Order: sequence, then C-alpha cells, then structure tokens
Amino acid sequence: DGGITQSPKYLFRKEGQNVTLSCEQNLNHDAMYWYRQDPGQGLRLIYYSQIVNDFQKGDIAEGYSVSREKKESFPLTVTSAQKNPTAFYLCASSIFDEKLFFGSGTQLSVL
Amino acid sequence: AQKVTQAQTEISVVEKEDVTLDCVYETRDTTYYLFWYKQPPSGELVFLIRRNSFDEQNEISGRYSWNFQKSTSSFNFTITASQVVDSAVYFCALSGGSNYKLTFGKGTLLTVNP
Repeated sequence: DGGITQSPKYLFRKEGQNVTLSCEQNLNHDAMYWYRQDPGQGLRLIYYSQIVNDFQKGDIAEGYSVSREKKESFPLTVTSAQKNPTAFYLCASSIFDEKLFFGSGTQLSVL
Repeated sequence: AQKVTQAQTEISVVEKEDVTLDCVYETRDTTYYLFWYKQPPSGELVFLIRRNSFDEQNEISGRYSWNFQKSTSSFNFTITASQVVDSAVYFCALSGGSNYKLTFGKGTLLTVNP
C-alpha cells in the first residue's frame, strides 16, 4: 500500500542530544513537509521541500535541520538548540498543490 | 501573510445533532485553496475536502457539507446527524502562492456524546 511511514512512534530526548525523526513515502510525491503540533496550537510548518536536494524554512525552523537526498525520504533532526522540543511531529507529502497526505506522527518527549 | 481562524476551540453535541464548524481565513493571494482535515485520536490527519478559490459552489458528501463564501472569507463545515465516530479534532487550512505549503487553523475539538 502507498503511504507515508514515520518512525519511531515515540521518541525520548535527553538534554543536549540531537535526535532524528524518520519520514519515508512511496507515493512518488515531489513535495514533503514537516509540521509540529502542540496542544491547542494547530500545526506549524517547520521545513518543506519541493524537490530533491532543496528545502526551505517554514515558520518555526530554528533548532531543526532537514535533508532531502532522496525523493522518498525527508528526515528531521531536532537539535540541542531546540529548547522546547516536546511535541507531536507530523510528516506529509503532496503533488504540488494537491492535498497533503500525512503520516501517523512521532511523539517526542524530553527526559 | 496567510491566516486561518477557527474560533471554536471545543464543541460538544449529542449524537444525531447537526453541528457547524467555523473557519475564517485571510490571504492576499487571488488563487488559493482551502482544506478541511480530520484528526481522530490515532493522530493521523485525514483529508476531507479541497476547494479552490474560484469555485464557490457548496459541496455535500454524505453527512458532510461545506459552505464557501468569498465575501466573508469563510469556509464552514457542517456535519448532519452527528455520530460518535465523528469525534475528532477538525482543522481548516489554506494554501496559496507558489510554494503549496498549508497554513492551518488551531483546530476545533468535536465531541459527540451518545
């Protein structure tokens, strides 16, 4: 079945540690996105990529980094510079301006 | 800048009641798209509808209907004869310009009680 796979489902970060969230899609979509969801805050865009080897900052990129070396993959690294990383992270993909398809999310918590 | 406002933070209804979720948007783009997504407790967002700015026709899909009014910059969502399975967070979203990214509202938590 085609879709978006996010892993892990739950992730814990120690202070000062970088962690990487995985996002893989087999929908052959060009565009991929990372959103952060906090309770009562909706979804906020962290980074997005419209094509391989290119990505753009979203509204809250500070403390995060991404790469897009393959069309299918768009991993997100939460660096130690992100002081409040606890949130639900959602990855999505789309064909240009069509609807976004979302993964099932990763809940990141701080130990 | 784009903005989406969902003024209703939480709504609680009894099964079989009709319920309308409000969405008001702001954009300077002349061409844009509006979306509704449903987020059940499992967390994954489920696409419900996409509407472009040139199509103001209302749409009905089963118990769901959408009212798009450009004059008031609103894109409201009505569930008729609500069911317990409709309980979820519903997000309205907007995209425009050339980068296709979505701007989301803060969501409305709908609880349908038996």
